[in-house]
This record gives sequence, C-alpha cells and structure tokens, in this order.
Amino acid sequence: DGGITQSPKYLFRKEGQNVTLSCEQNLNHDAMYWYRQDPGQGLRLIYYSQIVNDFQKGDIAEGYSVSREKKESFPLTVTSAQKNPTAFYLCASSKDHSGNTIYFGEGSWLTVV
Amino acid sequence: GENVEQHPSTLSVQEGDSAVIKCTYSDSASNYFPWYKQELGKRPQLIIDIRSNVGEKKDQRIAVTLNKTAKHFSLHITETQPEDSAVYFCAASMWNQGGKLIFGQGTELSVKP
Repeated sequence: DGGITQSPKYLFRKEGQNVTLSCEQNLNHDAMYWYRQDPGQGLRLIYYSQIVNDFQKGDIAEGYSVSREKKESFPLTVTSAQKNPTAFYLCASSKDHSGNTIYFGEGSWLTVV
Repeated sequence: GENVEQHPSTLSVQEGDSAVIKCTYSDSASNYFPWYKQELGKRPQLIIDIRSNVGEKKDQRIAVTLNKTAKHFSLHITETQPEDSAVYFCAASMWNQGGKLIFGQGTELSVKP
C-alpha cells in the first residue's frame, strides 16, 4: 500500500475547470486503476490500464481522461464535462491484470466550489 | 457485465458476537473475491480474499466462504471487537477482464462495547 502515492490529498475546483490528480507507484505493477467513491457509497471504476500506453474505460468514464505514458504513473484528469465531480478518488494498482491483489493509494478528495 | 450485491447495508452487533456479510455476483466467470475494510476517510485495506478454486479461507477471526454454484460469498467475523467497526466491501473480478474489481455497495459494521 505504501508504494502508491496520490496527490494532492485535497483539491478544490471551480466550475468549468479541468484538474489533474496524480498517481505514482513504485511497486513495478503493470496494472493501474482509478475508482470514484461518493459519500456512503461503494467504489465505481473510472478507467483502468493493463500496460503502458494502453487503457480502457470503466463504468463511469464520461467526463474523465487518463494517460499511461510511464509504467509508474497513471494521472486522472477531471474535465469540465464531468457535471458532478465532488467525490473521493482512489488510485490502485496490481501486479498484473490476472486477478492479483489490488492495492489502493490514500485517495484524493475533490470538491467543486 | 458483472454486478455485485451486498447485504446488509448496516449491521450492529455486540462486542464478542459474530458478524456475517453476504455478497452475490452475477457472472459465473468471476474467479477472484476480495474483502476490503475501510475506515472513515481512509483507503480500503484488503483483509482477506478467496479464489474460485477454494471453498473457504480463514485468517484468525476472519473467514470467507464461497459457493460457486449459488454465486455467493460471505465474510464471517468472530469475537467482534470495537476496532472492527468500519465499512466492509466485497468485490469480484475476472482475470480476462483486466483484473478490474467490481464492488458491492458496502456494509457499515458497528460493534458496540
């Protein structure tokens, strides 16, 4: 768990702005994931990446974008097209995509002001 | 796609009693079933997991059982303690779907001293 670093921990966004959440891992994991958690709710998958330079949409990808240019980095951009972005965002990684344990970063709180 | 249902949404027990949380999944191809514990404002932490070739797994006071025929799995916590109070999430994944986890809605467990 300690090998996944998310930043910033808290972020405030004005309506109409794009913001980027950083996720870095030093676990040499191939697969990385972004989840969104709303208060009192479960985790919903936004995007995932099985390998560098490849990523797939999850269940709620609209209004978000990602890139995977380096193995250790998987940044998430919350665009102005995401109408209700206030949530807790969790980055995660696993050794590969074949059902290995998924570990989570500490999360980033995004609030729209 | 996969869908995971979790029950109950809230559970209150007396210290020392047992707690049981149940999940059902929809896709028979799912083969990995982890359980996470999440304390308020923190990241989910893996507490136990089970794969589809195993029917039961124990780790001290925690156990998970899997019934592939009925497509359900359960978390059992014995001799509950106040520090067990948290939100518990079940999840399911398939190795050929990128290893992504689909989560249940969560169970808020309260252990009263």
